[in-house]
Amino acid sequence: ILNVEQSPQSLHVQEGDSTNFTCSFPSSNFYALHWYRWETAKSPEALFVMTLNGDEKKKGRISATLNTKEGYSYLYIKGSQPEDSATYLCAFRNFGNEKLTFGTGTRLTIIP
Amino acid sequence: SAVISQKPSRDICQRGTSLTIQCQVDSQVTMMFWYRQQPGQSLTLIATANQGSEATYESGFVIDKFPISRPNLTFSTLTVSNMSPEDSSIYLCSATGSTYEQYFGPGTRLTVT
Repeated sequence: ILNVEQSPQSLHVQEGDSTNFTCSFPSSNFYALHWYRWETAKSPEALFVMTLNGDEKKKGRISATLNTKEGYSYLYIKGSQPEDSATYLCAFRNFGNEKLTFGTGTRLTIIP
Repeated sequence: SAVISQKPSRDICQRGTSLTIQCQVDSQVTMMFWYRQQPGQSLTLIATANQGSEATYESGFVIDKFPISRPNLTFSTLTVSNMSPEDSSIYLCSATGSTYEQYFGPGTRLTVT
């Protein structure tokens, strides 16, 4: 059984502040690490797919880093806005497998 | 990218009944999957929907409870059979596009009373 953990479970951040949260995953047999943003009643939106150790990816105010040797990824949000309120999910994929194993998510609430 | 739609978006069902959820993808995809998210839990894979053959179920999920069809490359259904309140969840369909990307539908929110 693959163990993917996210912390914190929930987070309240003042509008304009920056924040980050963590995803930890097995460090062996790594293939890819996915980040999704999921708003209620919408499809989970793919943010990043990260495949190489040391990868850093950026999309607007959101960025992510990857350390496959120690099995963690950070997601950063700079200058939080109310529209950033959502659940952020990470998902691990190991080599030779199409399946994703998800963490329980970090529920982010931005306080105006 | 692939756009995925699901119907119904939500339903409230009586225990003992069955509900079939439909998933439509706007382009041909290789793999299609069904997940569920029970309250407070991770997204959990139920099964891989195989085109023209029986679905591949994950540990803890069986065909009698969750029959799945995939008659072509763009459409799949999941049935939740003989429902109980423990089946109350969000059910999501997903599909793989390129080598790494996996896209999701908006989910079906099921409440069993």
